[in-house]
Amino acid sequence: EVQLVESGGGLVQPGGSLRLSCAASGFTFSSYWMSWVRQAPGKGLEWVANIKQDGSEKYYVDSVKGRFTISRDNAKNSLYLQMNSLRAEDTAVYYCARDHSNGPVRYWGQGTLVTVSS
Amino acid sequence: DIQMTQSPSAMSASVGDRVTITCRASQGISNYLAWFQQKPGKVPKRLIYAASSLQSGVPSRFSGSGSGTEFTLTISSLQPEDFATYYCLQHNSYPHTFGQGTKLEIK
Repeated sequence: EVQLVESGGGLVQPGGSLRLSCAASGFTFSSYWMSWVRQAPGKGLEWVANIKQDGSEKYYVDSVKGRFTISRDNAKNSLYLQMNSLRAEDTAVYYCARDHSNGPVRYWGQGTLVTVSS
Repeated sequence: DIQMTQSPSAMSASVGDRVTITCRASQGISNYLAWFQQKPGKVPKRLIYAASSLQSGVPSRFSGSGSGTEFTLTISSLQPEDFATYYCLQHNSYPHTFGQGTKLEIK
Protein backbone atom coordinates (compact mmCIF):
# COMPACT_ATOMS: atom_id res chain seq x y z
CA GLU A 1 0.00 0.00 0.00
CA VAL A 2 1.31 3.42 -0.96
CA GLN A 3 1.87 5.59 2.09
CA LEU A 4 3.02 9.19 2.15
CA VAL A 5 3.49 10.93 5.49
CA GLU A 6 4.32 14.63 5.62
CA SER A 7 5.95 16.39 8.54
CA GLY A 8 7.62 19.68 9.33
CA GLY A 9 4.69 22.07 9.17
CA GLY A 10 4.03 24.68 11.80
CA LEU A 11 3.86 28.37 12.58
CA VAL A 12 6.60 30.57 11.15
CA GLN A 13 7.03 34.33 10.93
CA PRO A 14 7.00 36.15 7.59
CA GLY A 15 10.45 35.98 6.04
CA GLY A 16 11.24 32.77 7.88
CA SER A 17 12.09 29.30 6.65
CA LEU A 18 10.66 25.84 7.03
CA ARG A 19 11.58 22.43 5.64
CA LEU A 20 8.83 19.94 4.90
CA SER A 21 9.53 16.23 4.66
CA CYS A 22 7.55 13.38 3.17
CA ALA A 23 8.31 9.78 4.11
CA ALA A 24 7.27 7.34 1.44
CA SER A 25 6.62 3.61 1.73
CA GLY A 26 4.83 0.80 -0.03
CA PHE A 27 6.43 1.40 -3.42
CA THR A 28 9.81 1.84 -5.09
CA PHE A 29 10.34 5.52 -4.34
CA SER A 30 13.19 5.98 -6.81
CA SER A 31 10.93 4.98 -9.73
CA TYR A 32 8.45 7.86 -9.54
CA TRP A 33 8.18 11.58 -10.05
CA MET A 34 7.04 13.23 -6.84
CA SER A 35 5.08 16.43 -6.31
CA TRP A 36 4.00 18.99 -3.74
CA VAL A 37 0.50 20.48 -3.90
CA ARG A 38 -0.90 23.05 -1.49
CA GLN A 39 -4.29 24.32 -0.42
CA ALA A 40 -4.80 27.59 1.40
CA PRO A 41 -7.56 27.58 4.04
CA GLY A 42 -10.94 27.51 2.33
CA LYS A 43 -9.35 27.77 -1.12
CA GLY A 44 -8.63 25.52 -4.06
CA LEU A 45 -5.71 23.30 -4.91
CA GLU A 46 -2.44 24.70 -6.23
CA TRP A 47 0.31 22.59 -7.76
CA VAL A 48 3.63 23.77 -6.28
CA ALA A 49 6.53 21.71 -7.64
CA ASN A 50 7.67 18.32 -8.81
CA ILE A 51 10.91 16.40 -9.19
CA LYS A 52 12.08 13.62 -11.46
CA GLN A 53 13.06 10.20 -10.21
CA ASP A 54 16.80 10.99 -10.05
CA GLY A 55 16.38 14.64 -9.08
CA SER A 56 17.75 15.87 -12.40
CA GLU A 57 14.60 17.83 -13.32
CA LYS A 58 12.58 20.11 -11.08
CA TYR A 59 9.67 22.38 -11.89
CA TYR A 60 7.95 25.08 -9.85
CA VAL A 61 4.93 27.34 -9.93
CA ASP A 62 6.04 30.92 -10.56
CA SER A 63 4.95 32.18 -7.13
CA VAL A 64 7.55 30.02 -5.33
CA LYS A 65 10.45 30.12 -7.78
CA GLY A 66 13.62 31.30 -6.10
CA ARG A 67 12.14 30.77 -2.63
CA PHE A 68 11.25 27.06 -2.50
CA THR A 69 13.45 24.10 -3.37
CA ILE A 70 12.19 20.58 -3.93
CA SER A 71 14.60 17.71 -3.35
CA ARG A 72 14.62 14.01 -2.65
CA ASP A 73 16.78 11.35 -1.03
CA ASN A 74 16.09 8.03 -2.71
CA ALA A 75 18.19 6.16 -0.17
CA LYS A 76 15.88 7.43 2.57
CA ASN A 77 12.65 7.21 0.54
CA SER A 78 12.06 10.85 1.33
CA LEU A 79 10.86 13.99 -0.44
CA TYR A 80 11.56 17.49 0.84
CA LEU A 81 10.41 21.05 0.30
CA GLN A 82 12.72 23.77 1.60
CA MET A 83 10.70 26.96 1.94
CA ASN A 84 12.53 30.27 2.43
CA SER A 85 11.36 33.89 2.55
CA LEU A 86 7.91 32.73 3.55
CA ARG A 87 4.94 35.01 3.05
CA ALA A 88 1.45 35.10 4.51
CA GLU A 89 0.10 33.83 1.19
CA ASP A 90 2.14 30.64 1.59
CA THR A 91 -0.15 29.63 4.46
CA ALA A 92 -1.68 26.33 3.37
CA VAL A 93 -1.90 22.62 3.87
CA TYR A 94 0.98 21.11 1.89
CA TYR A 95 0.41 17.70 0.36
CA CYS A 96 3.09 15.31 -0.82
CA ALA A 97 1.96 13.31 -3.84
CA ARG A 98 3.26 10.49 -5.97
CA ASP A 99 2.88 10.66 -9.68
CA HIS A 100 1.97 7.77 -11.97
CA SER A 101 2.95 6.85 -15.48
CA ASN A 102 -0.55 7.92 -16.56
CA GLY A 103 -0.44 11.30 -14.88
CA PRO A 104 0.49 13.34 -11.84
CA VAL A 105 -0.65 13.27 -8.21
CA ARG A 106 -2.15 9.80 -8.21
CA TYR A 107 -1.50 9.21 -4.47
CA TRP A 108 -1.64 11.85 -1.74
CA GLY A 109 -0.40 12.17 1.81
CA GLN A 110 -2.59 13.57 4.57
CA GLY A 111 -0.93 16.97 4.41
CA THR A 112 0.90 19.23 6.82
CA LEU A 113 -0.26 22.73 7.75
CA VAL A 114 2.09 25.67 7.31
CA THR A 115 1.01 28.95 8.87
CA VAL A 116 2.95 32.11 8.11
CA SER A 117 2.02 34.80 10.59
CA SER A 118 3.57 37.22 13.03
CA ASP B 1 0.97 29.52 -17.92
CA ILE B 2 -2.13 27.60 -18.95
CA GLN B 3 -5.26 28.79 -17.19
CA MET B 4 -7.96 26.27 -16.37
CA THR B 5 -11.47 27.64 -16.00
CA GLN B 6 -14.15 25.46 -14.47
CA SER B 7 -17.87 26.05 -14.73
CA PRO B 8 -19.97 26.35 -12.83
CA SER B 9 -18.11 27.38 -9.68
CA ALA B 10 -20.95 25.99 -7.60
CA MET B 11 -24.14 24.14 -8.24
CA SER B 12 -26.89 22.34 -6.42
CA ALA B 13 -28.45 19.11 -7.56
CA SER B 14 -30.58 16.25 -6.30
CA VAL B 15 -29.81 12.59 -5.79
CA GLY B 16 -30.35 10.82 -9.08
CA ASP B 17 -29.62 13.88 -11.23
CA ARG B 18 -27.19 13.85 -14.13
CA VAL B 19 -24.51 16.47 -13.60
CA THR B 20 -21.90 17.88 -15.95
CA ILE B 21 -18.92 20.03 -14.97
CA THR B 22 -16.84 21.76 -17.61
CA CYS B 23 -13.17 22.67 -17.62
CA ARG B 24 -11.70 24.92 -20.32
CA ALA B 25 -7.99 25.34 -20.96
CA SER B 26 -6.55 28.64 -22.19
CA GLN B 27 -4.62 26.68 -24.81
CA GLY B 28 -4.64 23.16 -26.14
CA ILE B 29 -3.54 20.46 -23.72
CA SER B 30 -4.32 17.34 -25.77
CA ASN B 31 -5.72 14.87 -23.23
CA TYR B 32 -3.36 15.73 -20.37
CA LEU B 33 -6.16 16.33 -17.93
CA ALA B 34 -7.26 14.72 -14.68
CA TRP B 35 -10.30 15.17 -12.44
CA PHE B 36 -10.25 15.09 -8.64
CA GLN B 37 -12.90 14.90 -5.95
CA GLN B 38 -12.39 16.45 -2.53
CA LYS B 39 -14.76 16.11 0.39
CA PRO B 40 -14.57 18.55 3.33
CA GLY B 41 -11.56 17.87 5.52
CA LYS B 42 -10.37 15.04 3.28
CA VAL B 43 -7.52 14.47 0.88
CA PRO B 44 -8.28 14.88 -2.83
CA LYS B 45 -8.95 11.71 -4.77
CA ARG B 46 -8.19 11.24 -8.46
CA LEU B 47 -11.25 10.10 -10.43
CA ILE B 48 -10.26 10.42 -14.07
CA TYR B 49 -6.91 10.54 -15.86
CA ALA B 50 -5.99 11.13 -19.48
CA ALA B 51 -9.27 13.05 -19.80
CA SER B 52 -11.48 10.00 -20.06
CA SER B 53 -9.90 7.03 -18.28
CA LEU B 54 -11.64 5.97 -15.09
CA GLN B 55 -9.37 5.45 -12.10
CA SER B 56 -9.63 1.91 -10.74
CA GLY B 57 -12.12 1.66 -7.92
CA VAL B 58 -14.08 4.73 -9.01
CA PRO B 59 -17.78 4.07 -9.70
CA SER B 60 -18.76 3.87 -13.36
CA ARG B 61 -21.31 6.68 -12.94
CA PHE B 62 -18.31 9.01 -13.28
CA SER B 63 -17.04 9.68 -16.78
CA GLY B 64 -14.77 12.18 -18.48
CA SER B 65 -14.54 13.41 -22.03
CA GLY B 66 -12.85 16.03 -24.15
CA SER B 67 -9.59 16.91 -25.77
CA GLY B 68 -7.75 20.06 -26.69
CA THR B 69 -9.30 22.90 -24.71
CA GLU B 70 -12.70 21.68 -23.51
CA PHE B 71 -13.34 18.87 -21.07
CA THR B 72 -16.28 17.57 -19.11
CA LEU B 73 -16.80 15.47 -16.02
CA THR B 74 -20.20 13.79 -15.92
CA ILE B 75 -21.88 12.04 -13.03
CA SER B 76 -24.70 10.02 -14.55
CA SER B 77 -26.83 9.60 -11.43
CA LEU B 78 -25.81 11.54 -8.36
CA GLN B 79 -25.41 9.63 -5.14
CA PRO B 80 -25.33 11.17 -1.64
CA GLU B 81 -21.59 10.51 -1.35
CA ASP B 82 -20.87 12.51 -4.52
CA PHE B 83 -21.54 15.89 -2.94
CA ALA B 84 -18.06 17.37 -2.86
CA THR B 85 -15.78 19.81 -4.66
CA TYR B 86 -14.35 18.76 -8.01
CA TYR B 87 -11.14 20.02 -9.61
CA CYS B 88 -9.54 19.57 -13.00
CA LEU B 89 -5.76 19.54 -13.44
CA GLN B 90 -3.78 20.05 -16.63
CA HIS B 91 -0.35 18.45 -16.92
CA ASN B 92 0.44 19.20 -20.53
CA SER B 93 2.99 21.83 -19.57
CA TYR B 94 4.62 23.43 -16.58
CA PRO B 95 3.50 24.74 -14.25
CA HIS B 96 0.72 22.23 -13.88
CA THR B 97 -2.48 24.09 -13.07
CA PHE B 98 -5.74 23.23 -11.33
CA GLY B 99 -9.11 24.71 -12.10
CA GLN B 100 -10.65 26.81 -9.35
CA GLY B 101 -13.04 24.04 -8.33
CA THR B 102 -16.75 23.27 -8.59
CA LYS B 103 -18.64 22.84 -5.36
CA LEU B 104 -21.52 20.41 -5.78
CA GLU B 105 -24.16 20.78 -3.10
CA ILE B 106 -27.39 19.03 -2.28
CA LYS B 107 -30.56 20.73 -3.52
